[in-house]
Amino acid sequence: QVQLQESDPGLVKPSQTLSLTCTVSGASISSGGYYWSWIRQHPGKGLEWIGYIYYSGNTYYNPSLKSRLTISQDTSKNQFSLNLSSVTAADTAVYYCARGTADFGNAIDFWGQGTLVTVSS
Amino acid sequence: DIQMTQSPSSLSASVGDSVTITCRSSQTITSYLNWYQQKPGKAPKFLIYAASNLQSGVPSRFSGSGSGTDFTLTITGLQPGDFATYFCQQSYTPPYTFGQGTKVEIK
Repeated sequence: QVQLQESDPGLVKPSQTLSLTCTVSGASISSGGYYWSWIRQHPGKGLEWIGYIYYSGNTYYNPSLKSRLTISQDTSKNQFSLNLSSVTAADTAVYYCARGTADFGNAIDFWGQGTLVTVSS
Repeated sequence: DIQMTQSPSSLSASVGDSVTITCRSSQTITSYLNWYQQKPGKAPKFLIYAASNLQSGVPSRFSGSGSGTDFTLTITGLQPGDFATYFCQQSYTPPYTFGQGTKVEIK
Protein backbone atom coordinates (compact mmCIF):
# COMPACT_ATOMS: atom_id res chain seq x y z
CA GLN A 1 0.00 0.00 0.00
CA VAL A 2 1.32 3.43 -0.94
CA GLN A 3 1.69 5.81 1.98
CA LEU A 4 2.74 9.44 2.05
CA GLN A 5 3.69 11.37 5.18
CA GLU A 6 4.25 15.11 5.39
CA SER A 7 6.75 16.63 7.80
CA ASP A 8 5.34 19.00 10.39
CA PRO A 9 6.80 22.52 10.38
CA GLY A 10 3.93 23.83 12.52
CA LEU A 11 4.39 27.58 12.91
CA VAL A 12 6.25 29.67 10.34
CA LYS A 13 6.92 33.38 10.73
CA PRO A 14 5.83 35.85 8.07
CA SER A 15 8.43 36.51 5.35
CA GLN A 16 10.20 33.25 6.13
CA THR A 17 10.38 30.14 3.97
CA LEU A 18 7.99 27.27 4.48
CA SER A 19 9.71 23.92 4.02
CA LEU A 20 7.85 20.62 3.83
CA THR A 21 9.05 17.12 3.04
CA CYS A 22 6.95 14.18 1.98
CA THR A 23 8.23 10.69 2.70
CA VAL A 24 6.84 8.03 0.41
CA SER A 25 6.60 4.32 1.20
CA GLY A 26 5.20 1.49 -0.86
CA ALA A 27 6.22 3.12 -4.14
CA SER A 28 9.31 4.61 -5.71
CA ILE A 29 9.24 8.25 -6.70
CA SER A 30 11.69 7.27 -9.45
CA SER A 31 9.08 5.16 -11.23
CA GLY A 32 7.49 6.51 -14.36
CA GLY A 33 3.79 7.20 -14.71
CA TYR A 34 3.38 9.11 -11.47
CA TYR A 35 3.72 12.70 -10.48
CA TRP A 36 4.31 13.74 -6.92
CA SER A 37 2.22 16.69 -5.91
CA TRP A 38 1.56 19.32 -3.30
CA ILE A 39 -1.98 20.52 -2.68
CA ARG A 40 -3.23 22.85 0.04
CA GLN A 41 -6.52 23.65 1.67
CA HIS A 42 -7.15 26.92 3.44
CA PRO A 43 -9.20 26.55 6.64
CA GLY A 44 -12.78 25.74 5.75
CA LYS A 45 -12.11 26.21 2.04
CA GLY A 46 -11.53 24.26 -1.12
CA LEU A 47 -8.44 22.61 -2.54
CA GLU A 48 -5.64 24.47 -4.32
CA TRP A 49 -3.14 22.71 -6.56
CA ILE A 50 0.38 23.92 -5.74
CA GLY A 51 2.53 21.93 -8.12
CA TYR A 52 4.20 18.64 -8.85
CA ILE A 53 7.47 16.94 -9.67
CA TYR A 54 7.68 14.12 -12.14
CA TYR A 55 9.98 11.12 -11.75
CA SER A 56 12.31 12.69 -14.30
CA GLY A 57 12.70 15.76 -12.11
CA ASN A 58 10.53 17.95 -14.32
CA THR A 59 8.31 20.24 -12.33
CA TYR A 60 5.08 22.15 -12.77
CA TYR A 61 4.23 25.10 -10.56
CA ASN A 62 0.90 26.84 -10.17
CA PRO A 63 1.43 30.26 -11.80
CA SER A 64 -0.10 31.94 -8.76
CA LEU A 65 2.77 30.64 -6.60
CA LYS A 66 5.52 30.14 -9.14
CA SER A 67 7.69 33.09 -8.12
CA ARG A 68 7.94 31.77 -4.53
CA LEU A 69 7.88 28.03 -5.06
CA THR A 70 10.44 25.25 -5.43
CA ILE A 71 9.63 21.55 -5.52
CA SER A 72 12.50 19.08 -5.44
CA GLN A 73 13.14 15.39 -4.88
CA ASP A 74 15.64 13.17 -3.11
CA THR A 75 15.36 9.79 -4.76
CA SER A 76 17.88 8.23 -2.37
CA LYS A 77 15.48 8.91 0.49
CA ASN A 78 12.30 8.47 -1.58
CA GLN A 79 11.21 11.95 -0.57
CA PHE A 80 10.06 15.09 -2.31
CA SER A 81 9.95 18.56 -0.86
CA LEU A 82 8.27 21.96 -1.10
CA ASN A 83 9.85 25.31 -0.33
CA LEU A 84 7.59 28.36 -0.37
CA SER A 85 9.35 31.63 0.28
CA SER A 86 8.15 34.97 1.67
CA VAL A 87 5.10 33.48 3.34
CA THR A 88 2.21 35.54 4.65
CA ALA A 89 -0.90 34.72 6.63
CA ALA A 90 -2.57 33.83 3.33
CA ASP A 91 -0.32 30.76 3.18
CA THR A 92 -1.84 29.34 6.35
CA ALA A 93 -3.41 26.06 5.26
CA VAL A 94 -3.37 22.30 5.51
CA TYR A 95 -0.73 21.07 3.10
CA TYR A 96 -1.09 17.65 1.50
CA CYS A 97 1.44 15.66 -0.46
CA ALA A 98 -0.11 13.28 -2.93
CA ARG A 99 0.48 10.99 -5.90
CA GLY A 100 -1.04 11.55 -9.30
CA THR A 101 -1.30 8.59 -11.65
CA ALA A 102 -1.27 8.74 -15.42
CA ASP A 103 -3.17 5.44 -15.62
CA PHE A 104 -6.06 7.18 -13.88
CA GLY A 105 -6.08 10.20 -16.14
CA ASN A 106 -3.76 12.09 -13.80
CA ALA A 107 -6.12 11.74 -10.86
CA ILE A 108 -4.74 11.73 -7.32
CA ASP A 109 -4.99 8.19 -5.99
CA PHE A 110 -3.02 8.51 -2.75
CA TRP A 111 -2.88 11.40 -0.29
CA GLY A 112 -0.88 12.12 2.82
CA GLN A 113 -2.82 12.86 5.98
CA GLY A 114 -2.07 16.57 5.67
CA THR A 115 -0.19 18.95 7.93
CA LEU A 116 -1.48 22.29 9.20
CA VAL A 117 0.96 25.12 8.61
CA THR A 118 0.25 28.36 10.41
CA VAL A 119 1.97 31.58 9.38
CA SER A 120 2.12 33.90 12.34
CA SER A 121 4.60 35.98 14.27
CA ASP B 1 -6.59 28.28 -15.42
CA ILE B 2 -9.65 26.14 -16.01
CA GLN B 3 -12.39 27.10 -13.55
CA MET B 4 -14.48 24.33 -12.03
CA THR B 5 -17.93 25.17 -10.68
CA GLN B 6 -19.94 22.77 -8.58
CA SER B 7 -23.60 22.96 -7.71
CA PRO B 8 -25.17 22.97 -5.30
CA SER B 9 -22.68 24.12 -2.69
CA SER B 10 -24.60 22.11 -0.12
CA LEU B 11 -27.60 19.84 0.07
CA SER B 12 -29.58 18.01 2.72
CA ALA B 13 -30.73 14.46 2.22
CA SER B 14 -31.81 11.40 4.15
CA VAL B 15 -30.33 7.94 4.31
CA GLY B 16 -31.58 6.04 1.29
CA ASP B 17 -32.06 9.10 -0.89
CA SER B 18 -30.38 9.57 -4.23
CA VAL B 19 -28.46 12.78 -4.82
CA THR B 20 -26.78 14.34 -7.84
CA ILE B 21 -23.93 16.85 -7.79
CA THR B 22 -23.05 18.83 -10.90
CA CYS B 23 -19.61 20.04 -11.96
CA ARG B 24 -19.01 22.39 -14.88
CA SER B 25 -15.67 23.38 -16.37
CA SER B 26 -14.92 26.73 -17.99
CA GLN B 27 -13.59 24.98 -21.10
CA THR B 28 -13.65 21.48 -22.45
CA ILE B 29 -11.74 18.91 -20.44
CA THR B 30 -12.91 15.93 -22.51
CA SER B 31 -13.25 13.21 -19.81
CA TYR B 32 -10.42 14.30 -17.51
CA LEU B 33 -12.73 14.75 -14.55
CA ASN B 34 -12.24 13.19 -11.13
CA TRP B 35 -14.30 13.07 -7.94
CA TYR B 36 -13.16 12.94 -4.33
CA GLN B 37 -14.90 12.59 -1.00
CA GLN B 38 -13.62 14.44 2.06
CA LYS B 39 -14.68 14.06 5.67
CA PRO B 40 -13.81 16.61 8.37
CA GLY B 41 -10.17 16.52 9.40
CA LYS B 42 -9.28 13.92 6.79
CA ALA B 43 -7.56 13.91 3.44
CA PRO B 44 -9.74 13.57 0.37
CA LYS B 45 -10.54 10.05 -0.80
CA PHE B 46 -10.33 9.16 -4.48
CA LEU B 47 -13.69 7.98 -5.86
CA ILE B 48 -13.95 8.32 -9.63
CA TYR B 49 -11.56 9.06 -12.49
CA ALA B 50 -12.03 9.87 -16.14
CA ALA B 51 -15.59 11.02 -15.43
CA SER B 52 -17.15 7.61 -14.94
CA ASN B 53 -14.60 5.05 -13.74
CA LEU B 54 -14.91 3.90 -10.16
CA GLN B 55 -11.71 3.51 -8.23
CA SER B 56 -11.23 0.02 -6.86
CA GLY B 57 -13.15 -0.52 -3.65
CA VAL B 58 -15.60 2.34 -4.17
CA PRO B 59 -19.21 1.16 -3.75
CA SER B 60 -21.30 0.89 -6.89
CA ARG B 61 -23.88 3.31 -5.48
CA PHE B 62 -21.46 6.01 -6.65
CA SER B 63 -21.55 6.81 -10.33
CA GLY B 64 -20.22 9.55 -12.56
CA SER B 65 -21.06 10.73 -16.02
CA GLY B 66 -20.42 13.51 -18.49
CA SER B 67 -17.87 14.76 -20.97
CA GLY B 68 -16.74 18.06 -22.41
CA THR B 69 -17.74 20.65 -19.83
CA ASP B 70 -20.64 19.12 -17.88
CA PHE B 71 -20.35 16.30 -15.39
CA THR B 72 -22.38 14.71 -12.61
CA LEU B 73 -21.75 12.57 -9.57
CA THR B 74 -24.72 10.53 -8.40
CA ILE B 75 -25.04 8.65 -5.14
CA THR B 76 -27.91 6.17 -5.25
CA GLY B 77 -29.13 5.14 -1.83
CA LEU B 78 -27.18 7.37 0.56
CA GLN B 79 -25.51 5.56 3.44
CA PRO B 80 -24.51 7.18 6.75
CA GLY B 81 -20.84 7.21 5.72
CA ASP B 82 -21.62 9.18 2.57
CA PHE B 83 -22.34 12.40 4.41
CA ALA B 84 -19.26 14.39 3.49
CA THR B 85 -17.98 17.05 1.12
CA TYR B 86 -17.42 16.11 -2.51
CA PHE B 87 -14.96 17.79 -4.85
CA CYS B 88 -14.56 17.54 -8.59
CA GLN B 89 -11.18 18.11 -10.21
CA GLN B 90 -10.04 18.53 -13.79
CA SER B 91 -6.80 16.79 -14.74
CA TYR B 92 -6.79 17.88 -18.38
CA THR B 93 -4.45 20.86 -18.10
CA PRO B 94 -2.31 21.92 -15.15
CA PRO B 95 -2.92 23.48 -12.73
CA TYR B 96 -5.35 20.67 -12.05
CA THR B 97 -8.05 22.77 -10.47
CA PHE B 98 -10.78 21.67 -8.10
CA GLY B 99 -14.38 22.68 -7.69
CA GLN B 100 -15.31 24.50 -4.52
CA GLY B 101 -16.98 21.45 -3.02
CA THR B 102 -20.50 20.23 -2.29
CA LYS B 103 -21.38 19.40 1.30
CA VAL B 104 -23.89 16.58 1.65
CA GLU B 105 -25.59 16.89 5.01
CA ILE B 106 -28.10 14.79 6.87
CA LYS B 107 -31.64 16.09 6.69
